[in-house]
Amino acid sequence: DAGVIQSPRHEVTEMGQEVTLRCKPISGHDYLFWYRQTMMRGLELLIYFNNNVPIDDSGMPEDRFSAKMPNASFSTLKIQPSEPRDSAVYFCASKQGAANRRNTIYFGEGSWLTVV
Amino acid sequence: DQQVKQNSPSLSVQEGRISILNCDYTNSMFDYFLWYKKYPAEGPTFLISISSIKDKNEDGRFTVFLNKSAKHLSLHIVPSQPGDSAVYFCAARGAGSYQLTFGKGTKLSVIP
Repeated sequence: DAGVIQSPRHEVTEMGQEVTLRCKPISGHDYLFWYRQTMMRGLELLIYFNNNVPIDDSGMPEDRFSAKMPNASFSTLKIQPSEPRDSAVYFCASKQGAANRRNTIYFGEGSWLTVV
Repeated sequence: DQQVKQNSPSLSVQEGRISILNCDYTNSMFDYFLWYKKYPAEGPTFLISISSIKDKNEDGRFTVFLNKSAKHLSLHIVPSQPGDSAVYFCAARGAGSYQLTFGKGTKLSVIP
């Protein structure tokens, strides 16, 4: 399997612009997570989906952030408008839930966002 | 408020010696703990885990110890190798939850 695929790997954008990050989870995985990594706060969960339905979005920092999962193989995280403090690495991760809650989650390589 | 804390941002160890990475947590509802390893420009990868019903889990050179009364866990790497140099994240999950709470990570440098 190709693993969790994220795009773009790197994005530099100007403040105020819209940013869209994309994720393709591992086939067959029914949970998808969006994490953000910063120096100050480490890895934080932003939102997660189960069977394409958002379950917990309490980690989404502001209304400027939104996430969708239109189907089992694709998710987006959108920031509109972007601000310099949004600069971080955004990770997408997926896992197979089913009966085994302790299945490992697998991370993508991350999308490095810089807002100038 | 950080529920999972890794108080050492970095650690340097000589090759062949033991590396001990520590993690403390505050939420008594956590019942499953994991360690992830992250190389630069890559996503975190799962390393080892432990359930709260155990106090030790071993996998090759990696051993995780859990002290529930102290709300403390540690990862031991013996012997340490230069390829172990990475950032190690401690993570915890509560009963009935799929959500992982991560520490800020500890950067391990194994010196040849």
